[in-house]
This record gives sequence, C-alpha cells and structure tokens, in this order.
Amino acid sequence: KQEVTQIPAALSVPEGENLVLNCSFTDSAIYNLQWFRQDPGKGLTSLLLIQSSQREQTSGRLNASLDKSSGRSTLYIAASQPGDSATYLCAVLTGGGNKLTFGTGTQLKVEL
Amino acid sequence: GAVVSQHPSWVICKSGTSVKIECRSLDFQATTMFWYRQFPKQSLMLMATSNEGSKATYEQGVEKDKFLINHASLTLSTLTVTSAHPEDSSFYICSARRTQSSYNEQFFGPGTRLTVL
Repeated sequence: KQEVTQIPAALSVPEGENLVLNCSFTDSAIYNLQWFRQDPGKGLTSLLLIQSSQREQTSGRLNASLDKSSGRSTLYIAASQPGDSATYLCAVLTGGGNKLTFGTGTQLKVEL
Repeated sequence: GAVVSQHPSWVICKSGTSVKIECRSLDFQATTMFWYRQFPKQSLMLMATSNEGSKATYEQGVEKDKFLINHASLTLSTLTVTSAHPEDSSFYICSARRTQSSYNEQFFGPGTRLTVL
C-alpha cells in the first residue's frame, strides 16, 4: 500500500526566505508526482506535475524535483511571499494510473 | 481549459436525508472521474473511481450503498450520500481525467462542504 509522508507538517518563515518542502513515498512504482496548493476551505490548485521519467519541473518561483528510486520529492519555493501561505500537498499516481495517493500536507505561513 | 465544477459548494442537511453532489467537466470529456473526502486537518482520501457507463470502483472501507455514484455522461458524475449522518460531514472533492490523456493528470473541482446536523 502506497504511503506518502510530508515533512515538515507546518512551517513559518519570514517573507523573502527560500524554503524546501519534502515529500516521501513508499512505493517507487509511480506514474507521476504532483504538487498542489490548498487554501483554507478551498479545493486544490495544481502547481507542478513531474512524470516518472523526469527529474524536475519548474514554474516561476517553484521548482519540484523527483528521485523515484529513493522515493523522494522536494518543492523549492524561492523568495517566499505572504500570498504563498497555504497547505501544500504532494500526491503520487499509481495503480495503473488511476489511484492518486495524497500526502499529509505541509501548512506554510509566510509572515511579513 | 480543464475546468471542473461542483454543485453545490456547500450544503447543510438534517440527519437521515440524502444529498446529491454534482461534478462536471466544463470544457473536456472525462471518461473517468474520482471522488475524494477530506476531514478537517487531514489529507484527501480517495473514495471511489467513477467510469462513464459502468459501475464505480470503491476503495476499501467505503460503503457503496451509502455513497451512490452515477457517471451517466462524459461530463457529469454525481455522488449521493444516502441517509446522511453527522459523521458524514466532510469536504467532498471530485476530479476528472481527460478521455484522451497521455499524462493521467486529474483536474480537481472546488469541493463541496457537507454538514449533517
């Protein structure tokens, strides 16, 4: 059974700081890995999707890496802003491309 | 493109009543849709996979007679919570996958907050 863990569970940083969120998964047989953002009481916003054959993806201030063999992914956020405050979820796709297993989430707060 | 809507966005009902939640893919066809549940301060858990024109596949521990799923068209799936009880109160989120998708990417709806009194 795939298990996805995110560390840390919560993080508070001052504005402007670069930060790294970590995600680990137990079964390396994945199709892809995705990072999402969720604001309180809202749905999910997809940030980055990394295919199993890829090592990283970048979008603006965000960079996600994937090391499938070790079961790890990181989300790097550069020059953090208060608007980045949200819960960040990683999810891995397995089960014939049907089953998306979510991590426990990292609650990020960027302070002025 | 790839917009998914849910209706209603929130609903409050009395214990014992049934509630239907709709999930629509607005600008693409989705042979497969997914239903997730999220309890407060927890992550999303897959409840079931909905396939157009066939029966849904439920995850272990999810009662198929309680959570009825219908995927009658390529753009609409519905989740009906039957005889809802307070423990069914949760945030329900659907997602949809394009019929022809090389990346198996799921696009998520905005969620439905269900409160059962």
